[in-house]
Order: sequence, then structure tokens, then C-alpha cells
Amino acid sequence: DAKTTQPPSMDCAEGRAANLPCNHSTISGNEYVYWYRQIHSQGPQYIIHGLKNNETNEMASLIITEDRKSSTLILPHATLRDTAVYYCIVRPPDAGNMLTFGGGTRLMVKP
Amino acid sequence: SQTIHQWPATLVQPVGSPLSLECTVEGTSNPNLYWYRQAAGRGLQLLFYSVGIGQISSEVPQNLSASRPQDRQFILSSKKLLLSDSGFYLCAWSAGAGGNTIYFGEGSWLTVV
Repeated sequence: DAKTTQPPSMDCAEGRAANLPCNHSTISGNEYVYWYRQIHSQGPQYIIHGLKNNETNEMASLIITEDRKSSTLILPHATLRDTAVYYCIVRPPDAGNMLTFGGGTRLMVKP
Repeated sequence: SQTIHQWPATLVQPVGSPLSLECTVEGTSNPNLYWYRQAAGRGLQLLFYSVGIGQISSEVPQNLSASRPQDRQFILSSKKLLLSDSGFYLCAWSAGAGGNTIYFGEGSWLTVV
């Protein structure tokens, strides 16, 4: 899996958008960008993934730059329950069981 | 929709005692199933994965074993626990045919004393 770089921590005010950046400058052409989050003492939760186009689901939006070297996860209206560690991962389509979490970004949503 | 459940959520066991963690997946057929361990402040370590009933691949030689008696059931076991077996254990699944997204259960905290 290509290496990713994320800021170690971020704060966000409740109700505001949380924008979490991720750099993946060595990403290969067939590697997807995945985002998971992990709330303390719980299993990782899948959020969203994408290849080239921007993606949106009920949880978040994923914006991938045209050169694919970076991406941003957007939580449009952060709540206190969104406080968690967010992991950005790049994986080829045949990665199978390989899943490597880096340090992630610890997002603190404050009232 | 698909759901995954694992239990127990927390477990405190003495050294030398047996272990059984169970995981079931609902809403899908023939999933790939995984057991991971996550040490505090560290990443995920893949322990076992299974592509079908009775088919188990072990990634790391250790004191643990896994079994898949039914299509959507995955069990992590040990005959005699060691102190080093303490940790956070995660069951996970992905779609069997071409699925690349891995979905995790709630996790089980094991403390061996």
C-alpha cells in the first residue's frame, strides 16, 4: 500500500464542516483511497472510498485532486459523536486482506 | 443490509485458560472473514482469514487458532492463553467476489491476567 501522510490532530466546532486532509503522493494508478474512522474502544468504521472522481455518501464527501496525490474527507456538519481517529489508506483493487492503518488524524469536535 | 457482530465485548481470562471469540455476519453470502488484533497505539495485525467454510489461512504463527464451521460464522480460539495474548481483537468481512472494502465488528477486549 502507498504511504499516506495525515496531520496528527485537528479540532472542529460542532455543526461546522470538518475537512481532513491526506497526502498520498506515491499513489499508483489503480489504487483506491479509503477512509475509516475509529472511535475509542470500538472497531474501525468504513466511511467512504474513491478512485478518481469525488464521492459522497450519507456520512461524508471525498474530494480527490486531479493528480490524485492528495484528498480531503469532508464531514459536512460535524457532531460530538464524530470525535474519532480518521485513517486515510490507499489500496490496490486486489489488496484482499491487506489493510495498513497509519497514524491517522485525531479529530476533536468541540461544542 | 449487512451487519457483523462479535462477542464477548470484553473478557478477562487467567493465564492458561481457553478462549473463544465468536463472530457472525448477516445479510451476505460466502463472505471473506478475518480476525485482526490491534495493539494499543499500533496498527492492525492480520491473524487469520477465510475464503470459505473450513478454509483458514494463518498469517502469524501463535497461540491462537480459527475455525469457520458455517458460512457466516468465524471463531477465534486458544487452548491456553498467554499474557501476550491480551489485546483488542477485531472480526471483519469483505464481499467474497471482488469485494475490496473490509468492514469491522465492534471488537473484543481481551485481558489475560
